[in-house]
Amino acid sequence: AQSVTQLDSHVSVSEGTPVLLRCNYSSSYSPSLFWYVQHPNKGLQLLLKYTSAATLVKGINGFEAEFKKSETSFHLTKPSAHMSDAAEYFCVVSDRDNQGGKLIFGQGTELSVKP
Amino acid sequence: EPEVTQTPSHQVTQMGQEVILRCVPISNHLYFYWYRQILGQKVEFLVSFYNNEISEKSEIFDDQFSVERPDGSNFTLKIRSTKLEDSAMYFCASSAWTGTYNEQFFGPGTRLTVL
Repeated sequence: AQSVTQLDSHVSVSEGTPVLLRCNYSSSYSPSLFWYVQHPNKGLQLLLKYTSAATLVKGINGFEAEFKKSETSFHLTKPSAHMSDAAEYFCVVSDRDNQGGKLIFGQGTELSVKP
Repeated sequence: EPEVTQTPSHQVTQMGQEVILRCVPISNHLYFYWYRQILGQKVEFLVSFYNNEISEKSEIFDDQFSVERPDGSNFTLKIRSTKLEDSAMYFCASSAWTGTYNEQFFGPGTRLTVL
């Protein structure tokens, strides 16, 4: 069965410093992996997706993630945090690598950005 | 840009009452989903729906829950007799198979409060 583990429930950074949100996955096949962001009282917005085309994936708002099969990791990074990045971030794996499969969410990492 | 919409944004109901949560998926999508997020917990899959029938459901999705696509645009989740533990944010999602991955687009959610 597919699963994801987000290693930090809360990360706090200063504005302008790098962001690292860690995610490890477990999958019996080459997975489709996603990062979603949820701002307070908002829905879930797709940040980026890995679909086996390239191991380094660039997303919106300057975020990127690197798929490392040897480490079963898909960590999310950003070189310089902005106040507007404060939100909950979810690492997600698709249950099946085909149409209609459910998404399996990690526990979430709350990112705080200090001025 | 097309988006998934959900109504109402907030629903308050008494325990034992029936509620219907409504969603309008993106128009050319064929796969529809409901997820829920209890406050402070991770997002959980409830049910997926394709070709006018349930494709998959979780153990949460018991006989108290049902889904329906009553017309060509709406997708509804009905809870027959609400319990206190049904209080959560309910997210609708839809997807179109791209041939390579399963990207799901989420609505803004309906916050259900059961008193």
